Amino acid sequence: EPEVTQTPSHQVTQMGQEVILRCVPISNHLYFYWYRQILGQKVEFLVSFYNNEISEKSEIFDDQFSVERPDGSNFTLKIRSTKLEDSAMYFCASATRGTETQYFGPGTRLLVL
Amino acid sequence: SQQGEEDPQALSIQEGENATMNCSYKTSINNLQWYRQNSGRGLVHLILIRSNEREKHSGRLRVTLDTSKKSSSLLITASRAADTASYFCATVSGANNLFFGTGTRLTVIP
Repeated sequence: EPEVTQTPSHQVTQMGQEVILRCVPISNHLYFYWYRQILGQKVEFLVSFYNNEISEKSEIFDDQFSVERPDGSNFTLKIRSTKLEDSAMYFCASATRGTETQYFGPGTRLLVL
Repeated sequence: SQQGEEDPQALSIQEGENATMNCSYKTSINNLQWYRQNSGRGLVHLILIRSNEREKHSGRLRVTLDTSKKSSSLLITASRAADTASYFCATVSGANNLFFGTGTRLTVIP
């Protein structure tokens, strides 16, 4: 069964460094999302992406964040200058349509020191 | 905020018993989805119920939706130890983004 994959599974970085989190959505999906979950808290929406542009973004998704679909398969989240409070599990998700089931990847656990 | 809020926050039952989790939300929705998360792991989609549906089944799962009360429930019948996990409801509105609740932590005791 097709699934969303994410790399790396864990990443440790120093505050102020740039990180790129990678996702490979399910191949026939057209809608892509990033969510994050700070330890012990609820899953929060960051950004949605469709037709090579951002559809929606939350207040969390400030200028330090960017997304890209550099080729036909990868979907990346970049944090330009990480802060301690960026430490969280980051989930990628994809869907065939915006109103349909979103399938989540296993997540990347980011730790900013 | 339109996030779903689950109730109870934690639930502990014996294997074989049924588990019921409730979710309330605040705004109109396109659909409501239930997800499961094992500790520290990814989110597994369980079931999607649309705003014009009232009940849906999938295996041992039964989901109801009452849009007049802005609430949904997830029933797991004949629970198993492997059902131990956190369960989240997530609502989808016009923006098609998922808004998650805080989750119910279910423990099934063998």
